[in-house]
Amino acid sequence: AQSVAQPEDQVNVAEGNPLTVKCTYSVSGNPYLFWYVQYPNRGLQFLLKYITGDNLVKGSYGFEAEFNKSQTSFHLKKPSALVSDSALYFCAVRDNRGGGGNKLTFGTGTQLKVEL
Amino acid sequence: NAGVTQTPKFQVLKTGQSMTLQCAQDMNHEYMSWYRQDPGMGLRLIHYSVGAGITDQGEVPNGYNVSRSTTEDFPLRLLSAAPSQTSVYFCASSKSRATNEKLFFGSGTQLSVL
Repeated sequence: AQSVAQPEDQVNVAEGNPLTVKCTYSVSGNPYLFWYVQYPNRGLQFLLKYITGDNLVKGSYGFEAEFNKSQTSFHLKKPSALVSDSALYFCAVRDNRGGGGNKLTFGTGTQLKVEL
Repeated sequence: NAGVTQTPKFQVLKTGQSMTLQCAQDMNHEYMSWYRQDPGMGLRLIHYSVGAGITDQGEVPNGYNVSRSTTEDFPLRLLSAAPSQTSVYFCASSKSRATNEKLFFGSGTQLSVL
């Protein structure tokens, strides 16, 4: 079975400061990892993904994520937070072998609040 | 380019009523799926389809039916609504069934069952 843990329900950060949203995963095969963002009353939007290769993945809106196989983590980061980054962030994992409808298993989400 | 379109945006049902949540995509995507989002539980897969005429169950399929008669449309049917089905429902699609594909989500349907 595959699973994702987002240990923080909410992360608060001041605008201009770096931000980190944590994610750890468990999967039997090799992981495909994704970050999605959800703004109020909207569907989820893709931010970035890790498939293979460089452990540091760059995505939309200045976000990046670092894949760490030994720690089974895929933390989302941004060097300088903006108030407009405030949203709900979901980490998701999929086993690269597929199966189960290519089910994407989501974490419970982390609410990011960026304050002036 | 509309992407993934879901209707209605909001719906209130009484226990035992049936209804259909509509989902359409205009990107010629092969893979379509339905998720439900509940507080503290993330998103859970209900049903999915890897092409027209092909559907299968996800992890929480009970009480829901789907069909895929065209590439574009993937409706979700609630057969006899129950309060436990109160949730936000998202339709999502991807270009192919490949495991490295990203999903495109609709804006969701907020369903309340009284």
